Formats: sequence, C-alpha cells, structure tokens
Amino acid sequence: SQQGEEDPQALSIQEGENATMNCSYKTSINNLQWYRQNSGRGLVHLILIRSNEREKHSGRLRVTLDTSKKSSSLLITASRAADTASYFCATDNNDMRFGAGTRLTVKP
Amino acid sequence: GEEVAQTPKHLVRGEGQKAKLYCAPIKGHSYVFWYQQVLKNEFKFLISFQNENVFDETGMPKERFSAKCLPNSPCSLEIQATKLEDSAVYFCASSPWTGGEQYFGPGTRLTVT
Repeated sequence: SQQGEEDPQALSIQEGENATMNCSYKTSINNLQWYRQNSGRGLVHLILIRSNEREKHSGRLRVTLDTSKKSSSLLITASRAADTASYFCATDNNDMRFGAGTRLTVKP
Repeated sequence: GEEVAQTPKHLVRGEGQKAKLYCAPIKGHSYVFWYQQVLKNEFKFLISFQNENVFDETGMPKERFSAKCLPNSPCSLEIQATKLEDSAVYFCASSPWTGGEQYFGPGTRLTVT
C-alpha cells in the first residue's frame, strides 16, 4: 500500500484568497481522495477523483490529477476562515493510506 | 447506524494497563479501518477488516495490539500493557468497499500516564 504525501506542510492565507495544496504518490492508483480534518476530529471526505479523470469540481473545490506525474492538487477558491483545517490526500492500492496533511490557516 | 460510533471518547490508563476501544461501523459497511493519530500528525494505518476477517494488518504493532470485528458486536482495538507512546487519538472508519470513501468516527483519545 502507498501513502499520499502532501505539500506544503502548512499554508497561511487571507480570507478571499485561493489555497492550493499538492499531493504526490508513488505507484499506480485506482482513485485519489481528499479529506479534511478539523481540530483533531475524524476526517471528512471532500472529493474522490478516479485515475481516468483529470479534473473534478465540487463547490469551491477543484481537484486535478496528473497520473503521469503521480500528483494531484486541491484548490480552494475564495477561502473562508471556516476552511481552516488540515487537508489530507489518500490513495488506494487495495487499501487507503494517508499522508501527513497540509495545515491550512485562513485569516479573517 | 448512519454514523460511525466510537467509545469511549476519552480513556486514561496508567502505563502497563490494558486499554480497549470500540467502534460501531455504519450499518451495511463491510470494511472497518483503525488509524492512530499522534499529536495531529499523519494518520497511521493500523488494521482493516472485511466483515469479521482481517483484511490488512500491516500497520499493526506485532506486540501488544490486537483487534477484532465479530458479528453482531462492535469492533474492538485492544492494547495490552500500554506505553506512554501509545497516547494518541484512535480513529475508526468504515466503508462499503475497499478503496472508496471512508466515513470516520469522532475518535477515542487515549492518554497513557
């Protein structure tokens, strides 16, 4: 099984700005998922992108997947203070593994 | 149920004592996962089940940690002879299929003193 690895480790922006987080992985995948964690709570699923998809949108979230580079990005547009959380990517290869996450702080 | 339930919310154990954590997956989900998160760092995968069978236990420490998912009972994660470094939040998640969206419980915070 493999892990996603997110970067940056921490990101601090002003409300209204866009936030971009990246995830890299090592071997082939069936899908990649992004999750969010608030204050030590459990992860909440945000979006799943399949290996044959290049881009997916959900509200203010946009996820891209580049299987040739084995990387994905999560873009949050028009960020809000409530978006402050840790964001994790996870890849599957029979099972799911999570990286260390990106800690996003959105300042009001 | 519609949510993954974990009990207890908090657990305090003296070093060397046993700790047992419980997880009730969402009804109809065949897969259950246990993760350990230390100090809000990465989620360390411990073990997964497909129904009552161990699916992947590559993350489980060989000593002291054990887990079960028996029919008609909550799943459990047991730590024998706890150590200070076992202090963490233990999350359980369930999923209808492996590799799909996982639904997480609120976690059990274990403090070993």
